[in-house]
Amino acid sequence: RKEVEQDPGPFNVPEGATVAFNCTYSNSASQSFFWYRQDCRKEPKLLMSVYSSGNEDGRFTAQLNRASQYISLLIRDSKLSDSATYLCVVTDQRNDYKLSFGAGTTVTVRA
Amino acid sequence: SQTIHQWPATLVQPVGSPLSLECTVEGTSNPNLYWYRQAAGRGLQLLFYSVGIGQISSEVPQNLSASRPQDRQFILSSKKLLLSDSGFYLCAWTRDRRASFLPGNTIYFGEGSWLTVV
Repeated sequence: RKEVEQDPGPFNVPEGATVAFNCTYSNSASQSFFWYRQDCRKEPKLLMSVYSSGNEDGRFTAQLNRASQYISLLIRDSKLSDSATYLCVVTDQRNDYKLSFGAGTTVTVRA
Repeated sequence: SQTIHQWPATLVQPVGSPLSLECTVEGTSNPNLYWYRQAAGRGLQLLFYSVGIGQISSEVPQNLSASRPQDRQFILSSKKLLLSDSGFYLCAWTRDRRASFLPGNTIYFGEGSWLTVV
């Protein structure tokens, strides 16, 4: 089983729509969680950390469900500029220096 | 502020040729340094990480090697490239020696190097 699994998508949504997707992780001891955004042929960039109580950053909302071992990302009022691949990132508790990355969920926002 | 640079940005190399990718971090000391590879349509694969000068941990046995000759310099090398080495190579750093990936302390990537082995 992969350490971090994501639905690859693509999620094709119209501008203004809400889109949400999950990421499941296998290590119940994982402590920290992040969402990264990766544009085509570019490096991943931090979108937001995921806090235990859930958190918002503008149109983006992240949630953590420890019992079911998944995190989610919701994007409200989608913009064309939100089109990207979103990577789920989880700490690897076997090693303080490592992170586990999902393969990404692709979102395409159309006009 | 901290910045990370890696080069070259793009290269096309024949099978069997050597490889050297360089990465430097500015504006911080004692960073943890990483090399990742991302194959087309795939997730990020950790290749090497380093917690200090001369300290290299290898994650995947292969024909690549890494070195850290200075605190903020990380080099990825190969003596003989294979076709399967093609991909997007990313250097990255984290702030602390013990990663402690708490919110706000996460991993930052360089711009990446596109390698095509022909």
